[in-house]
Amino acid sequence: QVQLVQSGAEVKTPGASVKVSCKASGYTFNSYYIHWVRQAPGQGLEWVGLINPSGGSTSYAQKFQGRITMTREPSTSTVYMELSSLRSEDTAVYYCARGTDCSRTNCRRRWFDPWGQGTLVTVSS
Amino acid sequence: DIVMTQSPDSLAVSLGERATINCKSSQSVLYSSKNENYLAWYQQRPGQPPKLLIYWASTRESGVPDRFSGSGSGTDFTLTISSLQAEDVAVYYCQQYYTTPQTFGQGTKVEIK
Repeated sequence: QVQLVQSGAEVKTPGASVKVSCKASGYTFNSYYIHWVRQAPGQGLEWVGLINPSGGSTSYAQKFQGRITMTREPSTSTVYMELSSLRSEDTAVYYCARGTDCSRTNCRRRWFDPWGQGTLVTVSS
Repeated sequence: DIVMTQSPDSLAVSLGERATINCKSSQSVLYSSKNENYLAWYQQRPGQPPKLLIYWASTRESGVPDRFSGSGSGTDFTLTISSLQAEDVAVYYCQQYYTTPQTFGQGTKVEIK
């Protein structure tokens, strides 16, 4: 079945960096964009950015520009999200999710499904 | 960015009664040439990732009970739970995927009265 499995929880100090992984299975890795969404404790869903596994092009939310890097490793069907210069406000659960469908001639934006199980990133001194 | 606004922020409904959640987008998410509304609904239970319920504004995802339905077009959308069950207690989010960033509403918490 189509599945996204994320790496485990992380605890970081302010100013550090964190790298979260998301391993895809059950479909053609290059055919769908992967999006990252975060959720601070008790808050709503915030779009962080996306990566096109075919070629590695990215798009990031403006508020994270300069602090975020998304990469992919096709040999293991894994994408990575690295966030640097961490601050307490970055404490959140980070989700990856499958989005835009490029399995046909033209890419087509679509809903997010499935989602990874989430990775809690805690930033605390 | 397209701003998604849900109402109400929370609602309490008796078991077996109807729950209605509204979602308004700051600009149309209707791709008129294909008559497709780029709008999805998700359910999130505590400690769980969001679960897709509805896409194209009104298409129910496979396996989702038929008490869940979506309607609307352009900028105004509704998620209806026709007969609330205990397992429907959750936070519900709408999302537009018409443009990037693909933004979410702030969420509506549904509880049992």
